[in-house]
Parts: sequence; C-alpha cells; structure tokens
Amino acid sequence: SAVISQKPSRDICQRGTSLTIQCQVDSQVTMMFWYRQQPGQSLTLIATANQGSEATYESGFVIDKFPISRPNLTFSTLTVSNMSPEDSSIYLCSVAGGLHSYGYTFGSGTRLTVV
Amino acid sequence: GQQVMQIPQYQHVQEGEDFTTYCNSSTTLSNIQWYKQRPGGHPVFLIQLVKSGEVKKQKRLTFQFGEAKKNSSLHITATQTTDVGTYFCAGGGNYGGATNKLIFGTGTLLAVQP
Repeated sequence: SAVISQKPSRDICQRGTSLTIQCQVDSQVTMMFWYRQQPGQSLTLIATANQGSEATYESGFVIDKFPISRPNLTFSTLTVSNMSPEDSSIYLCSVAGGLHSYGYTFGSGTRLTVV
Repeated sequence: GQQVMQIPQYQHVQEGEDFTTYCNSSTTLSNIQWYKQRPGGHPVFLIQLVKSGEVKKQKRLTFQFGEAKKNSSLHITATQTTDVGTYFCAGGGNYGGATNKLIFGTGTLLAVQP
C-alpha cells in the first residue's frame, strides 16, 4: 500500500490566519481525499482532489474556506483559511488502495488548534 | 444525506471477553470497509466486504456483511489489550456519481481492562 507523508503533524494558530497542510504520496494516485476528524468523533470527508481538475467538495465545505491544490499525482495541499476556534480538529489526507489492496491509506494527520 | 451509524458508541470489556460492534447504513452499499484507529493514531484498514451475506475472518476478528448490504458487524473473540481503539465501518457506494467515496460510521471505542 501507499505511504503518505503529511505535515505539519500539529500546529497552534491564531484566529484569522491560514494554515496549509501538505501530503506527499510515494506513488502516483488518481484521487486524494481530505478528511476532518474532531476529537472523539468520526471522519468527515471534506473534498476529493483529482489531478488537473477542481476538487469536489462535500456539503458544508466550500473552496474559499478549504482551498485544495493537486499539482501532480503524488502531492496535494489543503489550506484552512481565515481560521476560527471551530476549525480546531485533526485533518487527514487519504488515498484509495492500489491493485492489491482495497483499503484506504491515511496520512498521520495534522492536529490543528486555533486560539 | 447518507448516514452510517454504529452501536455501541463505547464498550468496556474485561480482557478475554468478546466484543461486537454493529454498523447500519441508510442506503444500500456497494461495499463495506472496516478500520481501526488506536488512540492518537490514524485509521488503519482492516478488511473490505463486497458480497451480500459475506463473512470474513482475520484470526480473532469476524466480519459480516448483511444480506441487504445495508448493515455489517465486527466481532472480536477473546479480546486482548492490543484490541483497544476505535473501530470504524466505512460504506462505499455510488454517492452522487462518485464511486470511490467512503462514508465513515460513527465509530465504536473499545476499552479492554486487563
């Protein structure tokens, strides 16, 4: 299965600022997925990022707040813009399994605290 | 929208006892996946079920997919302290034309007392 390097692993940010989270995959993948997980909660899909096209956002998430870049088949970034304390959460990127595995592989996550 | 619910939310067992978590989807699923997330960690894939009524085993873990492909269960026999974590089911389906999306269940946190 793919190996994902996600950074930063954690950050404490001031409200009103923005944070960009990066995910690097060790193999080429068509789709990358960005999830949010609030403490003690389940994972909520933010958006699906395809290379060369606009990301597809889920209900409740908008591009102005969570712009996503996907410049090539191994890399993606998620920006959390104009942050408020409600954005404090864990953000995870993920890729679908390859030929020999159906499961999704997740990055180690970014724990964001907005103060 | 699509919802995937799990019960119980939390289960505390003595080591050696069995454990079961149940997963129910509001829509028919094309497949169901199960993940385990250790405290402080990220979700790790356990298994995928695709066929109606399918049963799969991994050592002490038994996974079932319902006949209607709307529910699933994970049963752990003789729990060990290493089983501690949150177990998520995740439903795969044709959500608005996107066939690769996974909708995660609400999760069951398992605590095992030695």
